[in-house]
Amino acid sequence: GDSVTQMEGPVTLSEEAFLTINCTYTATGYPSLFWYVQYPGEGLQLLLKATKADDKGSNKGFEATYRKETTSFHLEKGSVQVSDSAVYFCALIEMNYGGATNKLIFGTGTLLAVQP
Amino acid sequence: ETGVTQTPRHLVMGMTNKKSLKCEQHLGHNAMYWYKQSAKKPLELMFVYSLEERVENNSVPSRFSPECPNSSHLFLHLHTLQPEDSALYLCASSQSKHTDTQYFGPGTRLTVL
Repeated sequence: GDSVTQMEGPVTLSEEAFLTINCTYTATGYPSLFWYVQYPGEGLQLLLKATKADDKGSNKGFEATYRKETTSFHLEKGSVQVSDSAVYFCALIEMNYGGATNKLIFGTGTLLAVQP
Repeated sequence: ETGVTQTPRHLVMGMTNKKSLKCEQHLGHNAMYWYKQSAKKPLELMFVYSLEERVENNSVPSRFSPECPNSSHLFLHLHTLQPEDSALYLCASSQSKHTDTQYFGPGTRLTVL
């Protein structure tokens, strides 16, 4: 079945460092890909998404490019801030335009800790 | 109020108690979801409702009982839970069950003693 694999955390960086969180996926079709962020004590917020190969999702300085050839959707940010400290989840949804429900498949999450 | 709201934010209950979690979405969406988030595990989809009809039940024990009285409200009724049911329970909504983007509430942190 479909699955998402993320790098294990925690990832600890100093402020203004470059961030990469790796994400690879397995899917039978052409999924949409997402990054969600969960700040301490809160629910998940959609950070960015990409719906087809070579699309780049971006938001709040974060970027991720849908790479079909490597089945990857790595999250990057050029200069992290303390306020970026959170858990980041990579996810996919295999779009089904028939009767079945489309299901989000999540990775296990990567904790990012940014130190001043 | 906008987005997806959940109440209570924190809940502590004994194994013999009965309690309910509430979710409300203010986005005009037609699909709503319950997820369970346990430590060190991926989010687990529990239930999906589309237009107030349950369309998915992912082998969830009967001690969890969902209810969707209208497209804006979703409940999760809890009874005779086990300590391993302690987790963060997240509600989400989407435009339809076929839409790719889901919007999440802040979650209810449940502790079963």
